[in-house]
Amino acid sequence: QKEVEQDPGPLSVPEGAIVSLNCTYSNSAFQYFMWYRQYSRKGPELLMYTYSSGNKEDGRFTAQVDKSSKYISLFIRDSQPSDSATYLCAMSAMAGGGADGLTFGKGTHLIIQP
Amino acid sequence: DSGVTQTPKHLITATGQRVTLRCSPRSGDLSVYWYQQSLDQGLQFLIQYYNGEERAKGNILERFSAQQFPDLHSELNLSSLELGDSALYFCASSLTWAGNTEAFFGQGTRLTVV
Repeated sequence: QKEVEQDPGPLSVPEGAIVSLNCTYSNSAFQYFMWYRQYSRKGPELLMYTYSSGNKEDGRFTAQVDKSSKYISLFIRDSQPSDSATYLCAMSAMAGGGADGLTFGKGTHLIIQP
Repeated sequence: DSGVTQTPKHLITATGQRVTLRCSPRSGDLSVYWYQQSLDQGLQFLIQYYNGEERAKGNILERFSAQQFPDLHSELNLSSLELGDSALYFCASSLTWAGNTEAFFGQGTRLTVV
């Protein structure tokens, strides 16, 4: 079992829909949770960063962490064609990095249809 | 633009050869991280340097090495290249040694080994 599981998609939704992206993980030591957006041929771009359990909202994006279920989610409201990208979840046990660095999911390819 | 600069953008080389990838971090950032992204493995943490010193080591092969110079730029050296080393190599930077959770990624170097 991989440490972080993420459905690769593609996930195709119409413009304006609410998008739900998810990751599950197995390492209970993870405390720091991130979502990155990666456009084709570009580097990952940090979208959301959450510590421990709970919700965090930033504009159209909401990140949720449920440590008891080892499950994290990213919701995108009022989705736009420009949101079409690959979304990567990432996790870390320590803010200080250590030998693990960040552990990434393989990413979900999201397509927003105009 | 994240402010992290990686050169070259593309590199094609033969098996058995050695290449050097270069990374200039964002102005003021002291930490540099190297990641490898392949289709089957996703993004994998290789190594971290902080202010010239190796800080953390992940899944980096012995054929690979890195260093960070006094001007804080970093180089990743890949030797005895194999077909399986073909991947995107990303550099990320952050202000502190503990900043891997808020690191900014460069655009990557696409390495093709033929």
